[in-house]
Amino acid sequence: RKEVEQDPGPFNVPEGATVAFNCTYSNSASQSFFWYRQDCRKEPKLLMSVYSSGNEDGRFTAQLNRASQYISLLIRDSKLSDSATYLCVVNGAGANNLFFGTGTRLTVIP
Amino acid sequence: DTEVTQTPKHLVMGMTNKKSLKCEQHMGHRAMYWYKQKAKKPPELMFVYSYEKLSINESVPSRFSPECPNSSLLNLHLHALQPEDSALYLCASSHSSGAGETQYFGPGTRLLVL
Repeated sequence: RKEVEQDPGPFNVPEGATVAFNCTYSNSASQSFFWYRQDCRKEPKLLMSVYSSGNEDGRFTAQLNRASQYISLLIRDSKLSDSATYLCVVNGAGANNLFFGTGTRLTVIP
Repeated sequence: DTEVTQTPKHLVMGMTNKKSLKCEQHMGHRAMYWYKQKAKKPPELMFVYSYEKLSINESVPSRFSPECPNSSLLNLHLHALQPEDSALYLCASSHSSGAGETQYFGPGTRLLVL
């Protein structure tokens, strides 16, 4: 079983739409959770960390459900510039070796 | 400044060549990482250095040899690579190697092995 699983998409949504990505992880001892964004032929960049209480940064909201080992990312009012691959990332228990999901490809259409 | 730099940006090498990838950060981070990313796949961890000592080697073949000469620099020495080693090689750094530390990625070196 993969450490991190997420729907690869692609998701094609119109500008202004709300889109949600989901991710599950297998190691119940994992402690840290992140969403990274990766543009084509670029490096991954941290979008936001994910906390148990849920957290919001502008149009982006991340949620963590430890009981279900499930992480989500909600993007409201999608912009063309949101088009990218969104990587769900979980650390190995007790260490900072990160496990990446396969990424979900988002295309926002004018 | 959350910048990690990598050189070269692109590298083409033959299977008998020896080359090195370089990574540098000046954020005072004490953990540095090498990842390999194939097309349409997520990054996969290769090595972790913590306080200039190798702490994790994810069963990487010996044709990849990491080196951390000081806290700001991380090298990856390449020798006798195979065409399937062609990939984007990403360097990252974090404040420490403890769980939860944000990793900052460099732009990567795109490697082609002929």
